[in-house]
Amino acid sequence: QVQLQQSGLGLVKPSQTLSLTCSISGDSISSDTAAWNWIRQSPSRGLEWLGRTFLRSKWYSEYAPSVEGRMTVNPDSSNNQFSLQLNSVTPEDTAVYYCARSFHSGFFDFWGQGTLVTVSS
Amino acid sequence: DIQMTQSPSSLSASVGDRVSITCQASQGINIYLNWYQQKPGKAPKLLIHHALTLQTGVSSRFSGSGSGTDFILTIYNLQPEDVATYYCQKFDPARAAFAFGPGTKVDIK
Repeated sequence: QVQLQQSGLGLVKPSQTLSLTCSISGDSISSDTAAWNWIRQSPSRGLEWLGRTFLRSKWYSEYAPSVEGRMTVNPDSSNNQFSLQLNSVTPEDTAVYYCARSFHSGFFDFWGQGTLVTVSS
Repeated sequence: DIQMTQSPSSLSASVGDRVSITCQASQGINIYLNWYQQKPGKAPKLLIHHALTLQTGVSSRFSGSGSGTDFILTIYNLQPEDVATYYCQKFDPARAAFAFGPGTKVDIK
């Protein structure tokens, strides 16, 4: 059974960097069929896909236009985990953040437990 | 960008009822449409993928249909444990674009 365990700080100051990690068990981040995603949820924006990383002979990362240039998703093969970094946060980035696994056809079948991140001074 | 709408935004039905939730895409998305159930304080749970394929382990009381721009999630024999918010989600493989609908909240009368 695949399990995704999230870790990271729940309070970030405006203009600073939000960092979260998702540890994978029951699958490999180096899978050639899966992708590893970050999704967030807030009352104002609903569920919003942010970005993903995946291995297809080389590593790829893709991002939603809303966070492109501000967000990085990094794989860590040694520890079978992946991370999210979101720079220059504002209160609009306050949300519950989830990691999730997906496949080619774009459905998310396993999710992390969610982390509430609040952006506030 | 393809936009997703859902109707109704909320509904209340009796135990044993059949309930239908509609999801509409602003452009055709073939069958790249998935349905999730979310209970308060929990992550979404995948119910249906590819518009009509029941995810392993999900109750057969859930059923999906549709293709192109119009999709339906049907819950047969509504049970108290089905109280949740339901989301549709589309995927555009050509652009790696994902989007969720705004959700439909289901309650028991």
